[in-house]
Amino acid sequence: DIQMTQSPSSLSASVGDRVTITCRASQGIRRYLNWYQHKPGKAPQLLVYAASTLQSGVPSRFSGSGSGTDFTLTISSLHPEDFADYYCQQTYSIPHIFGQGTKLEIK
Amino acid sequence: EVQVVESGGGVVKPGGSLTISCVASGFTFNKGGMNWVRQAPGKGLEWVSSISSDSNFIYYGDSVRGRFTISRDNAKNSLYLQMKSLRPEDTAVYYCATVGTKEESHGDYDFWDWGQGTLVTVSS
Repeated sequence: DIQMTQSPSSLSASVGDRVTITCRASQGIRRYLNWYQHKPGKAPQLLVYAASTLQSGVPSRFSGSGSGTDFTLTISSLHPEDFADYYCQQTYSIPHIFGQGTKLEIK
Repeated sequence: EVQVVESGGGVVKPGGSLTISCVASGFTFNKGGMNWVRQAPGKGLEWVSSISSDSNFIYYGDSVRGRFTISRDNAKNSLYLQMKSLRPEDTAVYYCATVGTKEESHGDYDFWDWGQGTLVTVSS
């Protein structure tokens, strides 16, 4: 199985900050990489697919980049509603494994 | 719009069994793979099991292989997870997720649509 290593595991930031989360695959996955946002008690929501394509309805302050083994999710200016957990997921091969997650907390 | 609703969670004693279910709508159920993922208290998402559209391909995570069985009924748009020999460490919110596909000029990309989960607690 392909393993996904996500960092950092937690991040404290303030409203208006720019933050970046990274994800590394154990082997090349081309651009088969999704990012999800997860809030307590809710279903995870797709933010980015194909490494850099924003899901419809997702604010433009979110962006994804990368290909091969190294990927990033950037939030250009944090809004209060962005404090949540974030996960990367590879869809290059089954099983579609997730990274360990990043908890984004208010500083 | 895809909708996914899980049910069947509850409290079960260690060594016991439980079957959870999921009903999905808003897409052609028999065309896509389905998945179970869990989140233990204070932990991240852990992939549990996946099943292909025709049930011919089934996959399990190492922590549940031999104890859990995934199945689906395409006539009922339903997915199931039969859990046996349950352990306290199986305590988690269990999410059902469908596999959809985004068609782009440079390829087709899978993504998941999720339910809100059902809580399974293993405790004496």
